[in-house]
Amino acid sequence: AQRVTQPEKLLSVFKGAPVELKCNYSYSGSPELFWYVQYSRQRLQLLLRHISRESIKGFTADLNKGETSFHLKKPFAQEEDSAMYYCALSTGNQFYFGTGTSLTVIP
Amino acid sequence: DAGVIQSPRHEVTEMGQEVTLRCKPISGHNSLFWYRQTMMRGLELLIYFNNNVPIDDSGMPEDRFSAKMPNASFSTLKIQPSEPRDSAVYFCASSLAQYQPQHFGDGTRLSIL
Repeated sequence: AQRVTQPEKLLSVFKGAPVELKCNYSYSGSPELFWYVQYSRQRLQLLLRHISRESIKGFTADLNKGETSFHLKKPFAQEEDSAMYYCALSTGNQFYFGTGTSLTVIP
Repeated sequence: DAGVIQSPRHEVTEMGQEVTLRCKPISGHNSLFWYRQTMMRGLELLIYFNNNVPIDDSGMPEDRFSAKMPNASFSTLKIQPSEPRDSAVYFCASSLAQYQPQHFGDGTRLSIL
């Protein structure tokens, strides 16, 4: 069963527009959620984790246990945000990645 | 620490040849993962090791693929014989434990002609 769902494979927004990358998870216990980013031809890098409750490069993500979601948001998209974004889940036993969303910020 | 180190960065070879990809995990990390990334299928987990022992190899496409981890600081992914459809970027990642955040290498971009 798919533990992490990213419904959008591709997402395009204009520079300066708000962006939201969706992530839903399936786990009944206490999850730990992460967002990874992969810029063109580079390695995947950890962007943020929900327990840190921090903002990285203007991105934030809030864990909503009721909706089992961990959407990634940024109020004003920049061209350098264009990348592949992966949502990931740790169950305390295993680590799962979503299928990724490719974000393109149009100048 | 230099992070996860993969070699080679690029590999171009002819169909039928043996390909060996190498990975050095971060020192002290007990879990190591091999992924394949393609445009069509995204990021796929091939196999992972805990304390040098293969735990789940259900993602390995077929018998042509094999992976080893002879010690805590080295792992290989081998494809023999290689086929054009194996062309992809292969990532290695390591973590303190299998449920902890993973740290990725730069990947090996493999092209099979």
